[in-house]
Amino acid sequence: GENVEQHPSTLSVQEGDSAVIKCTYSDSASNYFPWYKQELGKRPQLIIDIRSNVGEKKDQRIAVTLNKTAKHFSLHITETQPEDSAVYFCAASPNRGGKSTFGDGTTLTVKP
Amino acid sequence: DSGVTQTPKHLITATGQRVTLRCSPRSGDLSVYWYQQSLDQGLQFLIQYYNGEERAKGNILERFSAQQFPDLHSELNLSSLELGDSALYFCASSAPGQGNEQFFGPGTRLTVL
Repeated sequence: GENVEQHPSTLSVQEGDSAVIKCTYSDSASNYFPWYKQELGKRPQLIIDIRSNVGEKKDQRIAVTLNKTAKHFSLHITETQPEDSAVYFCAASPNRGGKSTFGDGTTLTVKP
Repeated sequence: DSGVTQTPKHLITATGQRVTLRCSPRSGDLSVYWYQQSLDQGLQFLIQYYNGEERAKGNILERFSAQQFPDLHSELNLSSLELGDSALYFCASSAPGQGNEQFFGPGTRLTVL
């Protein structure tokens, strides 16, 4: 089955700096790669996603890049703000069915 | 609000007991997923249903079972509860088709004493 590894497990940055979180996956059949943000005690919420026919996608301060050959994808957050502090999960979803395999999460702390 | 509802919000019970968690997916979504999240842990996939049928199984214990009913709501049954079952249980739903966003419910926090 699919295996998703996510690094780093914790990340601390100064407000205004950039943050990068990386994930690798194992199943070449995966074609959908969402990123979720989970604030303390709340539900995970999708912040951005990318499909295998696209190499990069941006949404304001957030961007995701995908390298299908190397089987890795990354989340980039620019101009970080304290409200970006949360746990971020990457996931990979295969062609068939909708089951997503999640990474173990990255706890991002943005220091004011 | 994601449109996915879960009840109850909190559940406190004793070891050895059995509980049922309930999830109603977003209108039109056919897939329901169950996840377990222990303290400071990631999301552990338990099981997926699609239109009433089991679609995928993760690390779900034999003491746990689930089903999806004709009206598409789903229930997760946890029996012979142990202290280690204390966790946040999330349900998520997604629209039909491949690779679609999962919308998570608010979760049920289970505490086993």
